[in-house]
Formats: sequence, structure tokens, C-alpha cells
Amino acid sequence: DAKTTQPNSMESNEEEPVHLPCNHSTISGTDYIHWYRQLPSQGPEYVIHGLTSNVNNRMASLAIAEDRKSSTLILHRATLRDAAVYYCILTTTGTASKLTFGTGTRLQVTL
Amino acid sequence: NAGVTQTPKFRILKIGQSMTLQCAQDMNHNYMYWYRQDPGMGLKLIYYSVGAGITDKGEVPNGYNVSRSTTEDFPLRLELAAPSQTSVYFCASSSAPQGFGANVLTFGAGSRLTVL
Repeated sequence: DAKTTQPNSMESNEEEPVHLPCNHSTISGTDYIHWYRQLPSQGPEYVIHGLTSNVNNRMASLAIAEDRKSSTLILHRATLRDAAVYYCILTTTGTASKLTFGTGTRLQVTL
Repeated sequence: NAGVTQTPKFRILKIGQSMTLQCAQDMNHNYMYWYRQDPGMGLKLIYYSVGAGITDKGEVPNGYNVSRSTTEDFPLRLELAAPSQTSVYFCASSSAPQGFGANVLTFGAGSRLTVL
């Protein structure tokens, strides 16, 4: 399975944009890039996913590098409620292959 | 919709005891999964199911058993609890195979198990 590399932790001020990076240099052509987040004492929650093009939804934006070897999750205005562990995961098209959750990036948001 | 419901939320077991963690989903998803998360770590897949009557092992299946008699329910059984099974357990479901491109997983709130 292709692996991802994320910083262990990041900090942001409230109301400012946050860019969470993810490296996936061994990504294959059919791998989707997914982001989940886990708020304290909760289960993971889907944030966004993409294949090649940049994606936007109500929670965040996903910027994918042209060579697809890296991607960035963008929270446009961080709030205290965005403090969580963010996981960048590659999913491979095929039968029930295994989502691999690494240790993610712990985002701290301060006033 | 309730989504994915897990019970109990908390449980303390003695070594050697058995118990079943319950998971139910009301989204008519064919695919269901059990993960465990140890402190400060990512999630590891224990078992998964692609539909009623069909289950398969994940990354860390030893010490656990599952069954899937209905689409809605996917219980996880611990037969002889050991301290190494102290963890938070998450159940998830999806409408398509895990790893199927754009597939999205919906997780339950988790069950915290302590084995003493």
C-alpha cells in the first residue's frame, strides 16, 4: 500500500487559514487521496477526497500537486472546533482493500 | 438517521472474561469494519465484512471474532480478554468497498475497553 507522510503537529491561530501538508510520493494512478479528522474522544470523520483536481466542500479545500506526490488540506478559517488529528489516507480502487490510518497531524488552534 | 451506533461506550473487563461489542448501522451499507486505536496511535483494521454472512480478517485479528447475520449489525467478540486488548474500538460502515476510490467511511463514536 502506498504510504503517506504528515507532520506530527501544527499550530494555528483562530480565524486564520491552515494548510496541512501530506506527502505520498509512491501514489499510483488509481489512488484517491482522502482526508479524515478525529476530534477529541470521537470517531474519525470524513473531510474531503480527490483524485487529480483540486476539490472544495463546505468543510475544506484539497489542493493536489500536479504530479500527485503531495497534497494540502486547507481550512480557510480555523476555529477552536477544528482542533483535531487530521489523517491523510490513500485509497486504492479494488475490492475491500485496507484503509491505512497513520498517526496523522495534530492541529492545535489558539485564540 | 442515527448512522453507526456502538455499545457499550465504556467497559472494564477482567483478564479472561469475554464480551461482545455491538455495532449497528441504519444506512443500508453493505461494508462494515472494526478498528482499534491504541493511545497516541492510528487506527488498525481488525475485521471487515462485505455483506451478510461474509467476513474477513484485517491487520490485527488475533483474539477477536466477528459475525454478520444481518446487513445492519456487525458485532465484535473478545473471547479471552487480555491487557493487550485495552483500546478504543471503532466500528465503521460504507456503501462501497474500503479502498474503492471515492468510497467514504462513516464511523461510530467508539467503545473504550479496559482489561485489568
